[in-house]
Amino acid sequence: QQQVKQSPQSLIVQKGGISIINCAYENTAFDYFPWYQQFPGKGPALLIAIRPDVSEKKEGRFTISFNKSAKQFSLHIMDSQPGDSATYFCAASGSYYGGATNKLIFGTGTLLAVQP
Amino acid sequence: AAGVIQSPRHLIKEKRETATLKCYPIPRHDTVYWYQQGPGQDPQFLISFYEKMQSDKGSIPDRFSAQQFSDYHSELNMSSLELGDSALYFCASSGGDKKRGSQYFGPGTRLTVL
Repeated sequence: QQQVKQSPQSLIVQKGGISIINCAYENTAFDYFPWYQQFPGKGPALLIAIRPDVSEKKEGRFTISFNKSAKQFSLHIMDSQPGDSATYFCAASGSYYGGATNKLIFGTGTLLAVQP
Repeated sequence: AAGVIQSPRHLIKEKRETATLKCYPIPRHDTVYWYQQGPGQDPQFLISFYEKMQSDKGSIPDRFSAQQFSDYHSELNMSSLELGDSALYFCASSGGDKKRGSQYFGPGTRLTVL
């Protein structure tokens, strides 16, 4: 059973457009929600992360929106560029401050293609 | 900035052989995680260590073992390798500041079992 559900599976966006990827979770013990970007054959790179005490976090062109009541969070990539073409994973863990429960549970990934 | 170092980057083994993967965390990070990623799949948590003690265990086969050493580097030992063990193995590290949830991944070891 996938604890973190991610959609869409793939996404095609025109250069300059907005890419939106959504995730949903069930476990209310999760309290840390990062997004990772992964290029083929490379390690996941941490993009941006949020805790449930805020509803939105922005870093450059990347924004996380978080809806605690709906148990959903999303990644928005503004002004999408061809270099953003990669697989994006949402994730969740149970302890922002570390400890035995902070293993990352990943979504199934979204393959983003930004067309020039 | 220093990143997580993994070695070797590529490893080819025969069935029933053993393999050892090494991970060197970011300096001053005290927690190491191991993940396995199959082709087209999301990373799956295997095991983690905090201050040289096992802190959590996921879907790691009994044929696998791991440890964290006094210098905080970690090794994943894999025995009786099977074809299904072919995957990318990532090490991640965290710690050093308040944001312990932030895990930084290494470049991975691509293991191929023939």
